[in-house]
Amino acid sequence: EAGVTQFPSHSVIEKGQTVTLRCDPISGHDNLYWYRRVMGKEIKFLLHFVKESKQDESGMPNNRFLAERTGGTYSTLKVQPAELEDSGVYFCASSQGLKETQYFGPGTRLLVL
Amino acid sequence: AQRVTQPEKLLSVFKGAPVELKCNYSYSGSPELFWYVQYSRQRLQLLLRHISRESIKGFTADLNKGETSFHLKKPFAQEEDSAMYYCALTPGSSYKLIFGSGTRLLVRP
Repeated sequence: EAGVTQFPSHSVIEKGQTVTLRCDPISGHDNLYWYRRVMGKEIKFLLHFVKESKQDESGMPNNRFLAERTGGTYSTLKVQPAELEDSGVYFCASSQGLKETQYFGPGTRLLVL
Repeated sequence: AQRVTQPEKLLSVFKGAPVELKCNYSYSGSPELFWYVQYSRQRLQLLLRHISRESIKGFTADLNKGETSFHLKKPFAQEEDSAMYYCALTPGSSYKLIFGSGTRLLVRP
């Protein structure tokens, strides 16, 4: 069974540009989560989808971040415009049920110059 | 505030020695506690969760509500245990994971 996949694996952009990260959850998993680890700090929660609905977006840092999950399958996380402090690793995770194990993707390493 | 603290950034032990990775949490309710592990060049994966009361790869963790701790233990460390270990909790009101800063375990031959 394929695990959670994320694209791209790495992205280097300049400050002010736009970047879109994609996450494909495990097939059949209704729950999709985004996390990020910036500047060597803790991995922090960004938001949680249940199917196509945003269940919890309390971790989204500001309105430069937009997450979507149209159709309840894959999800995108857009950063526009990117700032230097957005550099870090963005993780996606999915789970079948709300209390089930969250399976993580390999992460997207974002560097904003 | 909900918080997970892992006081050690690095823990270095010799093969065969006991290991204890410390984790303390602050949460007023009844959280669910987890240990996640990330081996070199691999993705983050669940090691164990307190409600399962399992032993995975020889590791155990006991939730101590009095001390608000969930330390990870293994009696005899192996070189393949070298990895980054993260303690995490989910608060009762949400399903998000709140992570500690992680402890790098290095098991030397």
